[in-house]
Amino acid sequence: AQSVTQLGSHVSVSEGALVLLRCNYSSSVPPYLFWYVQYPNQGLQLLLKYTTGATLVKGINGFEAEFKKSETSFHLTKPSAHMSDAAEYFCAVSDSSASKIIFGSGTRLSIRP
Amino acid sequence: EAQVTQNPRYLITVTGKKLTVTCSQNMNHEYMSWYRQDPGLGLRQIYYSMNVEVTDKGDVPEGYKVSRKEKRNFPLILESPSPNQTSLYFCASRTRTSGRAGTRETQYFGPGTRLLVL
Repeated sequence: AQSVTQLGSHVSVSEGALVLLRCNYSSSVPPYLFWYVQYPNQGLQLLLKYTTGATLVKGINGFEAEFKKSETSFHLTKPSAHMSDAAEYFCAVSDSSASKIIFGSGTRLSIRP
Repeated sequence: EAQVTQNPRYLITVTGKKLTVTCSQNMNHEYMSWYRQDPGLGLRQIYYSMNVEVTDKGDVPEGYKVSRKEKRNFPLILESPSPNQTSLYFCASRTRTSGRAGTRETQYFGPGTRLLVL
């Protein structure tokens, strides 16, 4: 069985500040991990994913995430927030077949001017 | 343009009146799936399909049916909608290719269908 926990349903940071969105997973098999972004009134867009290999994964829009097996975490970071980063972010986990993808409950990111 | 389309985008219906939400992709993807999104619950997978005539239940299949008669279409059917099926629904399709560099995967989501069941 797999599950995802996103810590914090709402995160607010100042423009230019570090963005850190937390995601912890549970998986009985080696996981595939994903971060998606959803802008208002739009569908989901893949930010980045981890399958195998390098544990630091770089995605679009300056985001990156690090797979830490010992901590069962896959936190999303961005060094400097932009106003355009305001959106809802979803962490997700699957097995290697990726046939069933389990999403977290989402974290809404707000950016203060 | 590569895309996943859903119709209708908005729908208000009454309890018990059968409805179908269509999903179509133009990328020749084998894998398609349906999700519902509810506040505080994130996205939950309803059904998925690995290929034509191959469908399987996701986490919340109760009250839904799907069919996959052709690769491009994956309609979601609510035979007898109930108010607890009021939600935002997303269809997605995905392709996976394996090579020397590893597995490359691209998933596309549709724009969503907002359903209200009275």
